[in-house]
Amino acid sequence: GAVVSQHPSWVICKSGTSVKIECRSLDFQATTMFWYRQFPKQSLMLMATSNEGSKATYEQGVEKDKFLINHASLTLSTLTVTSAHPEDSSFYICSAGTALSYGYTFGSGTRLTVV
Amino acid sequence: AQSVTQLDSHVSVSEGTPVLLRCNYSSSYSPSLFWYVQHPNKGLQLLLKYTSAATLVKGINGFEAEFKKSETSFHLTKPSAHMSDAAEYFCVVSPSVGSSASKIIFGSGTRLSIRP
Repeated sequence: GAVVSQHPSWVICKSGTSVKIECRSLDFQATTMFWYRQFPKQSLMLMATSNEGSKATYEQGVEKDKFLINHASLTLSTLTVTSAHPEDSSFYICSAGTALSYGYTFGSGTRLTVV
Repeated sequence: AQSVTQLDSHVSVSEGTPVLLRCNYSSSYSPSLFWYVQHPNKGLQLLLKYTSAATLVKGINGFEAEFKKSETSFHLTKPSAHMSDAAEYFCVVSPSVGSSASKIIFGSGTRLSIRP
């Protein structure tokens, strides 16, 4: 079945540095990838939608200059948290799908801790 | 517009007893509905999905859900709970026919606890 790999699974970084998270579809071509943020004991909050080869569409309230999303190929999307601050600490999850798929496959998530 | 409501934030059952996690949805067209499970610090795993075929959907690990259009419900059930079922469960609704920018809507989640 469809597999989405997300890397790294956890990362600790210092305030002010940037962190890149990768999301790869391993055995299918993902025309659409989604990035979510999940706060403790809460549901997933959609941050942005990215389609291969075009700019990401950000949800209201999400800073596009802080959360840079690149979807350069049909199998890879990256989320870069720029100039990270402790309030950016969270669990980030990606999902990938195709235009005609009836389900989306999720990555295993990345726990980001900014100290 | 679409929305999904998980009626219980926390459900606790004894091992070996039935599980019922409730989900109601609203949609202006025929939706696709999903249940996902999330274990602590893990991603989401698809349990089952409804896509306008059979209304009773069987998933992995003994879970099943029934789509009831008249009640706009998609409740998740399992006849006998196992300790390993303890996790967070999300009900999700999606447009029936995908588009290049289709979005899925998550419920708020139900935490399932299993008592020994």
